Amino acid sequence: GAVVSQHPSRVICKSGTSVKIECRSLDFQATTMFWYRQFPKKSLMLMATSNEGSKATYEQGVEKDKFLINHASLTLSTLTVTSAHPEDSSFYICSAKDRGLDDTQYFGPGTRLTVL
Amino acid sequence: GEDVEQSLFLSVREGDSSVINCTYTDSSSTYLYWYKQEPGAGLQLLTYIFSNMDMKQDQRLTVLLNKKDKHLSLRIADTQTGDSAIYFCAVPSGGSYIPTFGRGTSLIVHP
Repeated sequence: GAVVSQHPSRVICKSGTSVKIECRSLDFQATTMFWYRQFPKKSLMLMATSNEGSKATYEQGVEKDKFLINHASLTLSTLTVTSAHPEDSSFYICSAKDRGLDDTQYFGPGTRLTVL
Repeated sequence: GEDVEQSLFLSVREGDSSVINCTYTDSSSTYLYWYKQEPGAGLQLLTYIFSNMDMKQDQRLTVLLNKKDKHLSLRIADTQTGDSAIYFCAVPSGGSYIPTFGRGTSLIVHP
């Protein structure tokens, strides 16, 4: 149980285009999902907390107009990187919290974004 | 906010025990977590411990919690090459369930 998927696993795009990443909880309902960014040899940086049916809460320093988050259902949250630049290239990981259980987060496999 | 520290690398021989250490600053966390990340993959929840416990054992894994010293450790017995990965300690700050992650310890297991 507690499986979280992400799609796509890898994406390469041109500078200036937008990319959408999906995060799904497959066997549980997640009222809260999280988006992280992982830099090489560094820890995970929490970008935003996504609550179903409401606006996402962004961490300090994360541009909400650049990283659009939509949490339209209890099993799906999307992150759209708008007008991507090479410095947005990174590993993006989502996680989900099962609303029925404890506070444990279950992580997706990650999406490697490369902006040319 | 919470500050979580881990050493960056640990190298062990196959069959030996591995001990990965973590220190944190906020002692009011209810759960403390260990995650494993294999190359190119997301994080896998390995184990967790309640803050009112000193020790938790799960097969080859033993978690020790010293709340007084704010020290958490993960021991892997009979370490195998498949255990090679990055291990993250994650500790929620007081009043929040959102954990702060350490930088991760790269465990390298060699024959």
